[in-house]
Amino acid sequence: GESVGLHLPTLSVQEGDNSIINCAYSNSASDYFIWYKQESGKGPQFIIDIRSNMDKRQGQRVTVLLNKTVKHLSLQIAATQPGDSAVYFCAEKDAGNMLTFGGGTRLMVKP
Amino acid sequence: DAGITQSPRYKITETGRQVTLMCHQTWSHSYMFWYRQDLGHGLRLIYYSAAADITDKGEVPDGYVVSRSKTENFPLTLESATRSQTSVYFCASAVKETQYFGPGTRLLVL
Repeated sequence: GESVGLHLPTLSVQEGDNSIINCAYSNSASDYFIWYKQESGKGPQFIIDIRSNMDKRQGQRVTVLLNKTVKHLSLQIAATQPGDSAVYFCAEKDAGNMLTFGGGTRLMVKP
Repeated sequence: DAGITQSPRYKITETGRQVTLMCHQTWSHSYMFWYRQDLGHGLRLIYYSAAADITDKGEVPDGYVVSRSKTENFPLTLESATRSQTSVYFCASAVKETQYFGPGTRLLVL
């Protein structure tokens, strides 16, 4: 299947700053996208999702933006905290119920 | 509320042995999935199940067997373990599109 990729493998930010993690997808038929957070030694944890009929969705300190024109997805984390340090990856779903996962970006928060 | 659990959390086995990884969910989700996660490959789907007694192959099914006699359980069996099956295995369940993952099983095949 088509793949989901990430621009930056590692992102280092200062505590309190905002973080932006990017994801490019190639399947124009994908209609649902998810961001997961994975801490060391743990399973992926659902953060936020968005459907293709939306451009933006907000959660607690997180916002996902979807630009279908350029097939780009981003996760914004406001006021980044040390507990946000983890690997973040996006996933897309097409007409079936299967997800295709990106490779992940490691977010490092400097105190 | 246990959610989704996996056992064992860590397993060491030898080449050629059979090993079964267990997955249990308390949400009554219809869909369940098995993934393996390796450096350089990300999450790859091994098998999935849409409901009890319905299973289907994913991207990397060779060497693995699954069953789903009950909605809440989805065991994964390595019939004859190989070193290439050393990995971290994640089980997930979903009611619609959103998949929720278990804590994983770290498997080392010597």
